[in-house]
Amino acid sequence: GAGVSQSPSNKVTEKGKDVELRCDPISGHTALYWYRQRLGQGLEFLIYFQGNSAPDKSGLPSDRFSAERTGESVSTLTIQRTQQEDSAVYLCASSSPRYFLGDTQYFGPGTRLTVL
Amino acid sequence: GNSVTQMEGPVTLSEEAFLTINCTYTATGYPSLFWYVQYPGEGLQLLLKATKADDKGSNKGFEATYRKETTSFHLEKGSVQVSDSAVYFCALSDQSGAGSYQLTFGKGTKLSVIP
Repeated sequence: GAGVSQSPSNKVTEKGKDVELRCDPISGHTALYWYRQRLGQGLEFLIYFQGNSAPDKSGLPSDRFSAERTGESVSTLTIQRTQQEDSAVYLCASSSPRYFLGDTQYFGPGTRLTVL
Repeated sequence: GNSVTQMEGPVTLSEEAFLTINCTYTATGYPSLFWYVQYPGEGLQLLLKATKADDKGSNKGFEATYRKETTSFHLEKGSVQVSDSAVYFCALSDQSGAGSYQLTFGKGTKLSVIP
């Protein structure tokens, strides 16, 4: 597609439920990132995928968070047993495979998660 | 670890005023520096970037210079317009020990430009 897409755009769930968020990166982008933006805060890195390499999970805040990516395409972020502090906008970004610090990351519109 | 500090908003300016949004960083390596912008109701998009010391990034009348000696990347625009009203994020990219080029962001500065 033309840009990074994410679904759903909004998700309201009850505390304790599991949620799954989806990201479709730009075609041909092998690098994929998930970030979280809590109200009034900057974006926090969660996880990084690069091709078939092992993902960098260093930003995941707890073991309730996990993510998968199928090859170089769709990624899903799963949050189990959601808590109110998980309420945030979850952003996905992708970049081209140049392995360069200056690579531009292209962001999706985000999924706004609200945990009641 | 890496960190980015940017001036807190909100910032309110009259149209055609001069804009400066300060940004300083701490990094263990030699990072690339970015300004991202989020217009109301839209996603985050790259405004400009600089990849080495003394580089100047520029776009849409905005510019920022990578100053290694002061670890700064201040955003400036000579004459703001109402359409520049948005949230601006300063960020750096530095390779992590696990190999990713994740971005570290500041908290964002909300700019409102009034006619």
